[in-house]
Amino acid sequence: RKEVEQDPGPFNVPEGATVAFNCTYSNSASQSFFWYRQDCRKEPKLLMSVYSSGNEDGRFTAQLNRASQYISLLIRDSKLSDSATYLCVVTRGGGSQGNLIFGKGTKLSVKP
Amino acid sequence: NAGVTQTPKFQVLKTGQSMTLQCAQDMNHNSMYWYRQDPGMGLRLIYYSASEGTTDKGEVPNGYNVSRLNKREFSLRLESAAPSQTSVYFCASSSLAPDTQYFGPGTRLTVL
Repeated sequence: RKEVEQDPGPFNVPEGATVAFNCTYSNSASQSFFWYRQDCRKEPKLLMSVYSSGNEDGRFTAQLNRASQYISLLIRDSKLSDSATYLCVVTRGGGSQGNLIFGKGTKLSVKP
Repeated sequence: NAGVTQTPKFQVLKTGQSMTLQCAQDMNHNSMYWYRQDPGMGLRLIYYSASEGTTDKGEVPNGYNVSRLNKREFSLRLESAAPSQTSVYFCASSSLAPDTQYFGPGTRLTVL
């Protein structure tokens, strides 16, 4: 099983659609979880951290299921500006100085 | 407050040439990281520095060396460039592991 696995997409959705991304991770010792966003030819930027209780930031909702080692990101009312690659990120765990393991990303394209 | 800066933005090298990629952060962060990003491979950690004066190997350290010059600066050196090192290189920093990592704009390196 890969350390962090994501559906590469692309997800092509119309404006206003709701889209969900899923991610699985293999290391049960991972303690922190994030979603990053990367625009074409740009650096990754933190979108949101993911907490066990689930968290919401405007149109974005992140969920974590530790038992299933599964993370999700839901985007409601998609905007053209949401078009990007979304990276699922987990810490390596086990005292590894906080090294992050990045998924390969899921590409989202929002069309008018 | 510039965040994380990287130089150069673009570089073309011939096989066997050497070069140093520079990275600096002005956020007073303790930890700094070097990643490479290749199509279909995601971000992979080359080296990291948990604090000033320390460096450790990441997932793909072969062919690279690093120097944590001071708290602000972390450089990556290619002693003898190879075509397999053609990639986009990102520097990142974080306050405390496993805190959020902030990325620089990247260096696009081509080795012919």
